[in-house]
Amino acid sequence: EPEVTQTPSHQVTQMGQEVILRCVPISNHLYFYWYRQILGQKVEFLVSFYNNEISEKSEIFDDQFSVERPDGSNFTLKIRSTKLEDSAMYFCASSEALRGAGYTFGSGTRLTVV
Amino acid sequence: QQQVKQSPQSLIVQKGGISIINCAYENTAFDYFPWYQQFPGKGPALLIAIRPDVSEKKEGRFTISFNKSAKQFSLHIMDSQPGDSATYFCAAKGSNYQLIWGAGTKLIIKP
Repeated sequence: EPEVTQTPSHQVTQMGQEVILRCVPISNHLYFYWYRQILGQKVEFLVSFYNNEISEKSEIFDDQFSVERPDGSNFTLKIRSTKLEDSAMYFCASSEALRGAGYTFGSGTRLTVV
Repeated sequence: QQQVKQSPQSLIVQKGGISIINCAYENTAFDYFPWYQQFPGKGPALLIAIRPDVSEKKEGRFTISFNKSAKQFSLHIMDSQPGDSATYFCAAKGSNYQLIWGAGTKLIIKP
């Protein structure tokens, strides 16, 4: 079964540093997403990406965050100047269609900011 | 109006019993209601989903019941097994891009 692959599985970074979280969505999917889940809390939408541009973003997704699809397979989330409160599980997801389609999630990257 | 409220927060069910998790929403523009299952250290996995034009959808031991007038939907797990122990999330989506998630229910099936 096709998978969304995320690397690394765990990232520890110092406060103020930049991190890049990487994702390889399912190859025939057109819509890409980043979500995050702070420990013990609900899953929160960050951003969606379609046709090489951001299609929607939440209030969480401020200037500290950026996304990029640098080639035909990778989809990255960059977090600049990390803060302690950025510590969370970050999930990448992809879907084939916008409406009525299930998202396939990766296993996540656990980001720990110290 | 964008919220999805999920209950209970945690649930313990005996093996072989029925697990029931409930969700309620307010935004009538939502037209897609998935349930996700998440095991520790893993990403959410789509379990079953429903659209508001049907009142029930069944896949194996998993059933979604949907009440459009009450703006509620629920997940029923029949013959619950220890392997079903996980966190379950309901979600909702309209015509935009984001899924709105419930807070999650930690389900424990006792052998």
